[in-house]
Amino acid sequence: QSVLTQPPSVSAAPGQKVTISCSGSSSNIGNTYVSWYQHLPGTAPKLLIYDNNKRPSGIPDRFSGSKSGTSATLDIAGLQTGDEADYYCGTWDTSLIAGVFGGGTKLTVL
Amino acid sequence: QVQLVQSGAAVKKPGASVKVSCKASGYIFTNYDVHWVRQATGQGLEWMGWMNPNSENTGYAQNFQGRVTMTRDTSISTAYMELSGLRSEDTAVYYCARGGFWGGSGYHFYMDVWGKGTTVTVSS
Repeated sequence: QSVLTQPPSVSAAPGQKVTISCSGSSSNIGNTYVSWYQHLPGTAPKLLIYDNNKRPSGIPDRFSGSKSGTSATLDIAGLQTGDEADYYCGTWDTSLIAGVFGGGTKLTVL
Repeated sequence: QVQLVQSGAAVKKPGASVKVSCKASGYIFTNYDVHWVRQATGQGLEWMGWMNPNSENTGYAQNFQGRVTMTRDTSISTAYMELSGLRSEDTAVYYCARGGFWGGSGYHFYMDVWGKGTTVTVSS
């Protein structure tokens, strides 16, 4: 059971927009910064968003992140078939004094 | 370019230990924390712990307390993760990753550079 809760799966058509949620608590998301990762099978995870809403260089602006209270969201606009992957949120938990990840969300681009 | 190169796959018997290495290049090794994350087959990402290569301060996830040790050799810009008392449930891909820092308002948790992963198989 993950400390952060994500929907197991989301789907949308190419060109559409999808939102992936990440729900936590006051000891993690509510108190610190959220990051988001894209993970394709057999490859290393890739950082998409850090510090709630910042994109590393090279990440297209189709990917955006936000945080409100104890929840965070990742929006992916203009979906492409290459976006099919597992997506994870991550943050620091000040009670556990540890990093934590959500359980992951599998994105299917129909 | 900035990269983390991990050691090769390992097969271990239950009860044994495994030590995975992670060699950094293209940046100043001691300027960034190193995290270790694993993924068992069919499971999600699991954070194992972190180390500050400069101070050698470490922090471990509760699930691994007493079984994991993270160290480094700054002379060769390499971080190590040793996991003892291996059991079949430890069969997974283990990643090292760079990133994160302590800021004025807490820990900025993110990993921007990842190794390709090391497969550890625990089997009798």
